[in-house]
Amino acid sequence: ETGVTQTPRHLVMGMTNKKSLKCEQHLGHNAMYWYKQSAKKPLELMFVYSLEERVENNSVPSRFSPECPNSSHLFLHLHTLQPEDSALYLCASSQGWGSSYEQYFGPGTRLTVT
Amino acid sequence: GDSVTQMEGPVTLSEEAFLTINCTYTATGYPSLFWYVQYPGEGLQLLLKATKADDKGSNKGFEATYRKETTSFHLEKGSVQVSDSAVYFCALTTGGNTPLVFGKGTRLSVIA
Repeated sequence: ETGVTQTPRHLVMGMTNKKSLKCEQHLGHNAMYWYKQSAKKPLELMFVYSLEERVENNSVPSRFSPECPNSSHLFLHLHTLQPEDSALYLCASSQGWGSSYEQYFGPGTRLTVT
Repeated sequence: GDSVTQMEGPVTLSEEAFLTINCTYTATGYPSLFWYVQYPGEGLQLLLKATKADDKGSNKGFEATYRKETTSFHLEKGSVQVSDSAVYFCALTTGGNTPLVFGKGTRLSVIA
């Protein structure tokens, strides 16, 4: 595997379910990101981890819970979601945290909340 | 706050047509500007960037010039191909640890 991979690629869940999204980067990067991509809205940065510590949390509801066990893996734990949380969730990584570092994106997980 | 405004899509062009996708921005300070492309079923990829006024970013036949006087960074390509069909995002960052600010994206469809 190369680059940034995300699993699953598609997920349908009920509002009472608990599920997790997984992201893995094979680039040796130190920073990882979660973004939410909704139709006709700009990409929204949700969380940033640098060297496994959370450095950015953009007022994301607590029903989204990130976890970064090491610099190669990033999870997004989901519980009691709402239908408006349906979106494409993109993971990205970069060599460092800061605007001078290019971000590399995964293909995303398409989440549908029913 | 900082923001990016892109032209509404979708944009549909015939192969070999000229492409322009407009992007204007509002930012404090002097931002760096980017165009990202998202092909179907894939994540975003950096297409080109410019870090100061009058810089021209270019890649794969696409170009964009950082125009400080008009706060714009329009994407152009002289002759599009079917393989250019994708969603294009304009973005900016004002440096340091500030995050990327994205526009809403413009979907381009090129037909043979």
